[in-house]
Amino acid sequence: AQSVAQPEDQVNVAEGNPLTVKCTYSVSGNPYLFWYVQYPNRGLQFLLKYITGDNLVKGSYGFEAEFNKSQTSFHLKKPSALVSDSALYFCAVRDKNSGYSTLTFGKGTMLLVSP
Amino acid sequence: ETGVTQSPTHLIKTRGQQVTLRCSSQSGHNTVSWYQQALGQGPQFIFQYYREEENGRGNFPPRFSGLQFPNYSSELNVNALELDDSALYLCASTEGGSTYNEQFFGPGTRLTVL
Repeated sequence: AQSVAQPEDQVNVAEGNPLTVKCTYSVSGNPYLFWYVQYPNRGLQFLLKYITGDNLVKGSYGFEAEFNKSQTSFHLKKPSALVSDSALYFCAVRDKNSGYSTLTFGKGTMLLVSP
Repeated sequence: ETGVTQSPTHLIKTRGQQVTLRCSSQSGHNTVSWYQQALGQGPQFIFQYYREEENGRGNFPPRFSGLQFPNYSSELNVNALELDDSALYLCASTEGGSTYNEQFFGPGTRLTVL
């Protein structure tokens, strides 16, 4: 079985400061990892994914994520936060050995960026 | 290229009723997945359809059923509605059967069961 943990319900950061949203995962094989963002009353928007290769993945809106196999983590980062980044962020994992392409999501982390 | 669309946007039903939710996949996508997102939770996988056949199912009872049509649009049907079925229902489409392609989500249908 695959699972994702997002240990923080909420992350607060001031505009202009760097941000990190944490994610750890558990899969039986090698993982595909994803980050999605959800704005109020909206569906999920894809930010970035890790499939293989470079452990630092760059995505949309200046976000990036670092894959760490030994720590089974895939933390989302951004060098300089914007107020407009305030939203709900979900980490998701897919087992490469899964016979179908479903995602297992964490419970989400609310990011609040203050002016 | 059109995105994933879902209808209706909102729906209110009473316990015991049946509901049908609809999803049109993104152009060129032949795989559709349905998720249930309860308040304050992450999306939970219900099932997936690939080329009109169910090819994966999460931990949901049989009263949750679905269909995929030749144009790859999809329906989610829920019978004998329960209060706990109140949630945001998300549809997501993917290009092909590849497990590493990202899923593109629709805006969701907010179902309220009274």
